[in-house]
Amino acid sequence: DVKVTQSSRYLVKRTGEKVFLECVQDMDHENMFWYRQDPGLGLRLIYFSYDVKMKEKGDIPEGYSVSREKKERFSLILESASTNQTSMYLCASSKRTSAHTDTQYFGPGTRLTVL
Amino acid sequence: AQKVTQAQTEISVVEKEDVTLDCVYETRDTTYYLFWYKQPPSGELVFLIRRNSFDEQNEISGRYSWNFQKSTSSFNFTITASQVVDSAVYFCALRGLYNQGGKLIFGQGTELSVKP
Repeated sequence: DVKVTQSSRYLVKRTGEKVFLECVQDMDHENMFWYRQDPGLGLRLIYFSYDVKMKEKGDIPEGYSVSREKKERFSLILESASTNQTSMYLCASSKRTSAHTDTQYFGPGTRLTVL
Repeated sequence: AQKVTQAQTEISVVEKEDVTLDCVYETRDTTYYLFWYKQPPSGELVFLIRRNSFDEQNEISGRYSWNFQKSTSSFNFTITASQVVDSAVYFCALRGLYNQGGKLIFGQGTELSVKP
């Protein structure tokens, strides 16, 4: 079974704080993703990484950065948290295959509240 | 541009009723993949099914079935004889063959509530 874990289920931070969200997968997947989920908007891609030290912007990268120093770990960083970043954050991973049919598997999510 | 629309925001049914969740998509790609995920109250998205654009055969897995109609750009999901454990938010998603990094485009989600 694919296992994607996230460091916290619930997190409360103050405006202006630097926030780290960690994601770890144990299936040797090349691709990793960070989404945020908001009511009525579904999931929106923030950043993704297709290899160690590689990263690409998704649809809503503003206010976020990422780090991938090891294959199994992908971190999302909020440099200076703001109230509009209160959301559910979901990490996912997938294997890169030549058939392009890789399925993304998700972690349990981190519900972040910024006060 | 790619887009997925799940017009039903919330659905409420009584146990044992059949229920269909609608999904309509837009893409210019000729090769693409469609997905359904289930998000129970615990929060984790659970993968249910993947279909590619060349395979229009309907699929059945237990009480779940999927109807892929390329002519209407729809990929609907039916739960037969619904159960309380089916209560969750369901997401439909699309990925074009050349989507950078395998990026998924999600619909807004449909919250299904099955009452005993």
